Amino acid sequence: GENVEQHPSTLSVQEGDSAVIKCTYSDSASNYFPWYKQELGKRPQLIIDIRSNVGEKKDQRIAVTLNKTAKHFSLHITETQPEDSAVYFCAASLRRQGGSEKLVFGKGTKLTVNP
Amino acid sequence: DSGVTQTPKHLITATGQRVTLRCSPRSGDLSVYWYQQSLDQGLQFLIQYYNGEERAKGNILERFSAQQFPDLHSELNLSSLELGDSALYFCASSVNRDNYNSPLHFGNGTRLTVT
Repeated sequence: GENVEQHPSTLSVQEGDSAVIKCTYSDSASNYFPWYKQELGKRPQLIIDIRSNVGEKKDQRIAVTLNKTAKHFSLHITETQPEDSAVYFCAASLRRQGGSEKLVFGKGTKLTVNP
Repeated sequence: DSGVTQTPKHLITATGQRVTLRCSPRSGDLSVYWYQQSLDQGLQFLIQYYNGEERAKGNILERFSAQQFPDLHSELNLSSLELGDSALYFCASSVNRDNYNSPLHFGNGTRLTVT
């Protein structure tokens, strides 16, 4: 089955710096890669996603890149702000016929942005 | 608000007991997913239902079972509870139509404490 590795497990940056979180996946057939942000005690919320037919996607200060050959994808946050502090999860999934979809998450990265 | 409703918010019970967690998906979403999040752990996929039928299974214990009803709400049943079952249980839903991955929208979770 799919396995997703995420690094680093913790990341501390100064406000205004960039943050990069990297993930690798094992199933080359996976075709959907979302990123979720989870603040303490709250639900995970989708911040950006990318599909396997796209190499890069941007949304304001966040961007995601995908390298299908190497089976890895990364989240880039520029001009970090204290409110970016949270746990970030990457995930990978393969949508199969019949509606089957197993979204497998990495173990998360705790990002701390210091003012 | 994600539109996914989970009840109850908190549940405290004793070892050996049985509990039922309930989830109402967003209007129009056909798929329901259950995830377990233990302390300092990522999101562990348990099971997925699509339009009333089981579609994908993760590392769900035999003591756990779930179902999705005709009105698309879902219940997760946990029996013979052990201390290690204490966790935050999330339900998520997605449209999941055709062969196209759609984002998962998470509920606020049910925090289960087994004493």
